[in-house]
Amino acid sequence: DAGVIQSPRHEVTEMGQEVTLRCKPISGHNSLFWYRQTMMRGLELLIYFNNNVPIDDSGMPEDRFSAKMPNASFSTLKIQPSEPRDSAVYFCASSLTPLGAHEQYFGPGTRLTVT
Amino acid sequence: AQSVAQPEDQVNVAEGNPLTVKCTYSVSGNPYLFWYVQYPNRGLQFLLKYITGDNLVKGSYGFEAEFNKSQTSFHLKKPSALVSDSALYFCAVRDYSGGYQKVTFGTGTKLQVIP
Repeated sequence: DAGVIQSPRHEVTEMGQEVTLRCKPISGHNSLFWYRQTMMRGLELLIYFNNNVPIDDSGMPEDRFSAKMPNASFSTLKIQPSEPRDSAVYFCASSLTPLGAHEQYFGPGTRLTVT
Repeated sequence: AQSVAQPEDQVNVAEGNPLTVKCTYSVSGNPYLFWYVQYPNRGLQFLLKYITGDNLVKGSYGFEAEFNKSQTSFHLKKPSALVSDSALYFCAVRDYSGGYQKVTFGTGTKLQVIP
């Protein structure tokens, strides 16, 4: 398996623009997670899905952020409008089960810079 | 209170010496505990986990961790450090918050192995 795939790997955009990050989980994994990592705040869970259904979105910072999982092999995280404080590395991860005994497999991340 | 704590921001160790990266947890019920490693510009990578059974868990790259229930700790260890072990290490624990299961990550410990 190719592992978790994320695109783009790097994104530079101007404040106010819409940003869409994409993720393809490992085939057969039922759960998908979106994280944000910054030096100041560390690793933060934004949202996770189980069987394509959002389970916990309490980590989504505000309404500018939205996430979808239209099928088992694809998810998006959208920021509209983007702000400089959204600059971070965004990781997608997948696992066999939501939060049981199975480990998570992380993608390489998308480094977002909002100017 | 934080569910998981990594008390050291950085650990320095000489190549060939044993290393320990500390982690303590505070959760109700039986903890599921994980260690992940992050190399520069990469996603997190699973190292090992404790779910139940033997308190000494062996993982990838010669790492091991010992679950200590009385001290609520899950320290990561390796008998002989390599320069290539230099990375950021995260401890994680399954926890319950707001009615949801969550996996909470620690703040990370930077391991520097000195040649």
